[in-house]
Amino acid sequence: DAGVIQSPRHEVTEMGQEVTLRCKPISGHNSLFWYRQTMMRGLELLIYFNNNVPIDDSGMPEDRFSAKMPNASFSTLKIQPSEPRDSAVYFCASRGLAGAGADTQYFGPGTRLTVL
Amino acid sequence: AQTVTQSQPEMSVQEAETVTLSCTYDTSESNYYLFWYKQPPSRQMILVIRQEAYKQQNATENRFSVNFQKAAKSFSLKISDSQLGDTAMYFCAFGPGNNRKLIWGLGTSLAVNP
Repeated sequence: DAGVIQSPRHEVTEMGQEVTLRCKPISGHNSLFWYRQTMMRGLELLIYFNNNVPIDDSGMPEDRFSAKMPNASFSTLKIQPSEPRDSAVYFCASRGLAGAGADTQYFGPGTRLTVL
Repeated sequence: AQTVTQSQPEMSVQEAETVTLSCTYDTSESNYYLFWYKQPPSRQMILVIRQEAYKQQNATENRFSVNFQKAAKSFSLKISDSQLGDTAMYFCAFGPGNNRKLIWGLGTSLAVNP
């Protein structure tokens, strides 16, 4: 299995631009999580989906952030417009909902976002 | 509210020695899971070990083992024969038993010195 795939790995953009981060979960997994990690705030859960349906988006900072999961194999996190304070590493993780180890989240390599 | 506390922000150990990282949690649930994740300088979050709360036997994975004390709500990680590659941030996480989100500790930065 290829594991969780995220793209791009690095993104540098200017303030005000739209940023789209992409995630492909592990095949067969039913839950998908988006996290943000900064030195100041540590690891924060932004939103998670079960069976493509958003379950908890209470961690989404503000209306500039949006996330979608149109099917079981793809999700996006969009920031529009981006701001320098959005600079962080964004992780995607996936988890199965049944079977052995279904409770365990597996992480992608992360996207390092820099907003100038 | 469920919380996870890692009381040691930073630790260091000499290569080949043993180190224990502490983690305590607070919950009223009886069915849950506990995890230790490792984040080396590469930033990749790697699962180290998991423990099911209903199992009394402590989980082990090679040089990594846990001391799970359910009544005390304690879940410490022991690393034996520490290696330079063990240098990383270690996160403890609590997982409710009904597929809800994980509750994370703030992490312990471990440095393994040659």
